[in-house]
Amino acid sequence: DSGVTQTPKHLITATGQRVTLRCSPRSGDLSVYWYQQSLDQGLQFLIQYYNGEERAKGNILERFSAQQFPDLHSELNLSSLELGDSALYFCASNPTGENYGYTFGSGTRLTVV
Amino acid sequence: GENVEQHPSTLSVQEGDSAVIKCTYSDSASNYFPWYKQELGKRPQLIIDIRSNVGEKKDQRIAVTLNKTAKHFSLHITETQPEDSAVYFCAASRRRDTGNQFYFGTGTSLTVIP
Repeated sequence: DSGVTQTPKHLITATGQRVTLRCSPRSGDLSVYWYQQSLDQGLQFLIQYYNGEERAKGNILERFSAQQFPDLHSELNLSSLELGDSALYFCASNPTGENYGYTFGSGTRLTVV
Repeated sequence: GENVEQHPSTLSVQEGDSAVIKCTYSDSASNYFPWYKQELGKRPQLIIDIRSNVGEKKDQRIAVTLNKTAKHFSLHITETQPEDSAVYFCAASRRRDTGNQFYFGTGTSLTVIP
């Protein structure tokens, strides 16, 4: 157990729907990062939050949004889902948001049918 | 932005042999280079990392080397074992006040043949 908790582990939904993925960082970690990993793809950075505020944005679609709450958990909202959004979504955390090693959660596997 | 290239995409070695995976990066300001191991369907796990003020770092059978001039870094696994079979990702990052994004390579699928 890495200490980073992601729920749900699996999600199957239809095109056009909206889903919310949840992440609780390791105790004491203030920064949360979201990554998308499609089949045969590397890890694509989506967005970073630090202590409740958006810190960095990557290749995140306008249909996607995220936030970090006062208790430091984060949610990634995916809307108007398309087949191509099917992927593993990982959350990672580190204590200060500085550039050193993340701890990844176990991921949420999203399947859009 | 940063561009990280990783080679080879697949690698098969006999148990006990060494494996080497190479990455290049484009941003000369990148100063932190982690390596992650990902087993099928599982989360990426940090196995070793190196900062730009160091040329080499070792941890038992795993070592990473960094050549800042050439902008490349490599992962070396010696005395490979079947449990080393996994996908390995390199990454590069630079410290920014506006947030710290890791740029990942596309991964190397390592198979260790018993």
